[in-house]
Amino acid sequence: GESVGLHLPTLSVQEGDNSIINCAYSNSASDYFIWYKQESGKGPQFIIDIRSNMDKRQGQRVTVLLNKTVKHLSLQIAATQPGDSAVYFCAEGADSWGKFQFGAGTQVVVTP
Amino acid sequence: DADVTQTPRNRITKTGKRIMLECSQTKGHDRMYWYRQDPGLGLRLIYYSFDVKDINKGEISDGYSVSRQAQAKFSLSLESAIPNQTALYFCATSEPGGGGETQYFGPGTRLLVL
Repeated sequence: GESVGLHLPTLSVQEGDNSIINCAYSNSASDYFIWYKQESGKGPQFIIDIRSNMDKRQGQRVTVLLNKTVKHLSLQIAATQPGDSAVYFCAEGADSWGKFQFGAGTQVVVTP
Repeated sequence: DADVTQTPRNRITKTGKRIMLECSQTKGHDRMYWYRQDPGLGLRLIYYSFDVKDINKGEISDGYSVSRQAQAKFSLSLESAIPNQTALYFCATSEPGGGGETQYFGPGTRLLVL
């Protein structure tokens, strides 16, 4: 069936606080994971990635954690800023596939 | 990402019309993808192409067709548009590498089928 206007989960964060966004992935064969940020009216933008041989990877103000045992991925944003307001979603893939499965996303709203 | 462009950015059409969405990239990538995004759902793959001569159906290819005119161009056609094809459509490119394969997205085409 087609969409009936499902609502995304929303995370409301105060400016300056840390944000944690979670993602459960489905395929135990996935070996590569990406977090994307999508601002209103724009295409998804790459934030950070991680391979399955790693548990943690850090970027600028962002950290991705991977728990393969429970097939869980999280994105931590430090000192959240108004510009961080967007939809964040994860993608799982494998080198052998050349394509990805995307999560629906979480709406992050940063309040002053 | 200015390296991946989509035209048109917005389109309104009527049921039964055939329309084409175009995607161009200057990243020099071999792999190109078409996705649709509906409210509250993740991106769903319509078609993908690993090179000019390789085109594959994704999970929701019914009612759509594609053409890979060149490495840089990948077009999506709706043969006979229907209202439930109203969605946001994204084109993406990627290049496989040993460290992973990031996809780069265009700005999207918002399509309304009346």
